[in-house]
Amino acid sequence: EAQVTQNPRYLITVTGKKLTVTCSQNMNHEYMSWYRQDPGLGLRQIYYSMNVEVTDKGDVPEGYKVSRKEKRNFPLILESPSPNQTSLYFCASRRDREHTEAFFGQGTRLTVV
Amino acid sequence: DAKTTQPPSMDCAEGRAANLPCNHSTISGNEYVYWYRQIHSQGPQYIIHGLKNNETNEMASLIITEDRKSSTLILPHATLRDTAVYYCIVSRTTSGTYKYIFGTGTRLKVLA
Repeated sequence: EAQVTQNPRYLITVTGKKLTVTCSQNMNHEYMSWYRQDPGLGLRQIYYSMNVEVTDKGDVPEGYKVSRKEKRNFPLILESPSPNQTSLYFCASRRDREHTEAFFGQGTRLTVV
Repeated sequence: DAKTTQPPSMDCAEGRAANLPCNHSTISGNEYVYWYRQIHSQGPQYIIHGLKNNETNEMASLIITEDRKSSTLILPHATLRDTAVYYCIVSRTTSGTYKYIFGTGTRLKVLA
């Protein structure tokens, strides 16, 4: 089954404790991205990657890092989480950067206290 | 800076067609219109997309006006499971990449 898998689904952490949210897709897609969703603000893109070792900032990249060492994986790293990063996070993948449908993961609900 | 405008909410009777409008008056010639929906807080689900011709698939139909400044998503026979937030998105080209700009969508409630 074609899918994008995120882990963990839920996470409560403390300010400053580094964490990684993993994202993996099994469709051999080139294009992957991370979004955060906050009430009243919709989904906003954090980072995206057009292929292995090619990443770039989205609209709200501050406080986040990503890496793309393998085509299937695109982890999101919070080096020093802060309460304003409490949010619902989604990973998405597309076959390529052109006009194809995106597949979204089930989301990671992160709370930073 | 969402490029689309949608009504915040709509109701539809079960079994009837749901027509969800979207304005995208500043759309460029090579930008596509996409529709996604989000049920509760699950990941958004792709519905349909198009450039200028009307499109239909097993889920919905997409009607794009001739001037491409607006579109309508049609769910032909809405069911309770179609209750969701529907996002109309114009894919934005920035430095050769294609990204989505999500607005706040239309919350569709299908009534029994």
